[in-house]
Amino acid sequence: GENVGLHLPTLSVQEGDNSIINCAYSNSASDYFIWYKQESGKGPQFIIDIRSNMDKRQGQRVTVLLNKTVKHLSLQIAATQPGDSAVYFCAETRLSGYSTLTFGKGTMLLVSP
Amino acid sequence: DAGVTQSPTHLIKTRGQQVTLRCSPKSGHDTVSWYQQALGQGPQFIFQYYEEEERQRGNFPDRFSGHQFPNYSSELNVNALLLGDSALYLCASSLRDRNQPQHFGDGTRLSIL
Repeated sequence: GENVGLHLPTLSVQEGDNSIINCAYSNSASDYFIWYKQESGKGPQFIIDIRSNMDKRQGQRVTVLLNKTVKHLSLQIAATQPGDSAVYFCAETRLSGYSTLTFGKGTMLLVSP
Repeated sequence: DAGVTQSPTHLIKTRGQQVTLRCSPKSGHDTVSWYQQALGQGPQFIFQYYEEEERQRGNFPDRFSGHQFPNYSSELNVNALLLGDSALYLCASSLRDRNQPQHFGDGTRLSIL
């Protein structure tokens, strides 16, 4: 499949490490945030979301933190596995109206066995 | 439960030609959005369809047009193709009245020669 990760920031970790991927969003009016994972040759896959009335949300092995003061999101992946290797995008939107997604620049995560 | 499906998966065209890409939303979804993803970039919003009408549009020229059918499926049309239109075109679906994330297909890779 095509390489979606050209020219993206890259985070390299060892299997079993915890990974933290950061994202700055642009619109202070955004109230819904989503992390997507995109593997080579695939479309973005939903990982976890968070609304602006929360500052932390946990899923299975993943945690999203939201800091509205500085317009910053982070995705924490616990016990990172080789299958987690992909490009990760954060996306922002508003819950009201016809919501469209604005994506961040993306980070490539490389997990070594 | 079928997810978002797009066709074709790959397409090669020459400058000046026209192209039509197709999308079937996830079962139960009524809203379709289209995105363009250049290599190494995040997806960029093109437009969104709901109830067979274009509801939102991103910063794309009129050469980009679309349609939504009564069964919620959608088409993206691009006229007078330029080399810069080479990209991965992603379709995402969602349910209008539910605050849930958009689900993406695996895209159509369009190459312009």
